[in-house]
Amino acid sequence: KAGVTQTPRYLIKTRGQQVTLSCSPISGHRSVSWYQQTPGQGLQFLFEYFSETQRNKGNFPGRFSGRQFSNSRSEMNVSTLELGDSALYLCASRERGLAEPPGSYNEQFFGPGTRLTVL
Amino acid sequence: AQSVTQLGSHVSVSEGALVLLRCNYSSSVPPYLFWYVQYPNQGLQLLLKYTSAATLVKGINGFEAEFKKSETSFHLTKPSAHMSDAAEYFCAVSGPFYGQNFVFGPGTRLSVLP
Repeated sequence: KAGVTQTPRYLIKTRGQQVTLSCSPISGHRSVSWYQQTPGQGLQFLFEYFSETQRNKGNFPGRFSGRQFSNSRSEMNVSTLELGDSALYLCASRERGLAEPPGSYNEQFFGPGTRLTVL
Repeated sequence: AQSVTQLGSHVSVSEGALVLLRCNYSSSVPPYLFWYVQYPNQGLQLLLKYTSAATLVKGINGFEAEFKKSETSFHLTKPSAHMSDAAEYFCAVSGPFYGQNFVFGPGTRLSVLP
């Protein structure tokens, strides 16, 4: 099976702009989670989508949003970019049943990330 | 709420020496525990996971970890370090209940000296 893919791999934006990142999960995986990774804050959970619905959300402002399509592909959008949004954004997918809670023994498979630089 | 601590943000070992990366967790219920490795400019790769079966878990690349409930620990070890083990290692905890998503530790950067 192909792994998790993320596009683009690198992105440079200026303050105030908005950006959309894309993630294609492993075939058959219906859960997609997004993380922000920075040297100072480490890996921080943004949100998880399952069956086109946001199931869980981390502690990020409303400028960070996402969605999931019927084919399980997911997009993450950041509006009104700030310098502090510069980070590696990682997407992860995993198998998950409809009745299963978000906390799960099924491991997450990560994509290579999108490196966002805000100038 | 669940949390993970990793003692030592940077660990250096000589090639061929024992690797020991520490992870302690906080969870009100028996957790699921994971170790991930991240090489430069790459995503995270699963090394191993504990899901309440055997307490000693063997993973890829010769790594293993032991779940010790009494110590709330899940330390990662490898008997003999290789240069290719140099990377960042993350311990993560998850739980069986709704709302308990993956929580990652701050990471430990492993350097392997020749």
